[in-house]
Amino acid sequence: AAGVIQSPRHLIKEKRETATLKCYPIPRHDTVYWYQQGPGQDPQFLISFYEKMQSDKGSIPDRFSAQQFSDYHSELNMSSLELGDSALYFCASSLSGGGTYEQYFGPGTRLTVT
Amino acid sequence: AQKVTQAQTEISVVEKEDVTLDCVYETRDTTYYLFWYKQPPSGELVFLIRRNSFDEQNEISGRYSWNFQKSTSSFNFTITASQVVDSAVYFCALSLDSNYQLIWGAGTKLIIKP
Repeated sequence: AAGVIQSPRHLIKEKRETATLKCYPIPRHDTVYWYQQGPGQDPQFLISFYEKMQSDKGSIPDRFSAQQFSDYHSELNMSSLELGDSALYFCASSLSGGGTYEQYFGPGTRLTVT
Repeated sequence: AQKVTQAQTEISVVEKEDVTLDCVYETRDTTYYLFWYKQPPSGELVFLIRRNSFDEQNEISGRYSWNFQKSTSSFNFTITASQVVDSAVYFCALSLDSNYQLIWGAGTKLIIKP
């Protein structure tokens, strides 16, 4: 069965640079979520989109922005990167928003900021 | 406010032992959803189960079983006859109808020794 696809899988950037992470949800899933997971921590919710509209917002820094496109893929744009942004970034998708349907996670993008 | 507590930071058992991972949640909503995810050393997040607040039936899937008790706000996870491949961090999570994000516990690191 098709899973959530994230690219790139690994990314190394320097401080103050920008990064773009991409997420391709499971076919027919209309809701996308972004999470950030630091080492040894639980995932922290950043933002979600339902039918291309922002549906919920968590602890996403102002330096980050995201959107969902007409084909339902999503991109997380990160600017002025800081050392503390080094983390595993997960994208998840579900059939609909809220808790009604389970979220399926992609393999993650490991971002290292040097 | 919503909260998920996994009091066990790390559990270590010998293969073939049974092990129970505890999860206690807090919410004032009457409709909510509970989840368990597994994160093996490779890093991906694997969905295990979703339960809604109106379904208190226990669930068994192979060696895995879940005990949902609203009276104690708990959703515990038991692995029977544990195997080395069960070694992972296990997260319990909560979501509500009113928002889209998963609220995570801190995770329990399970180590199964051969």
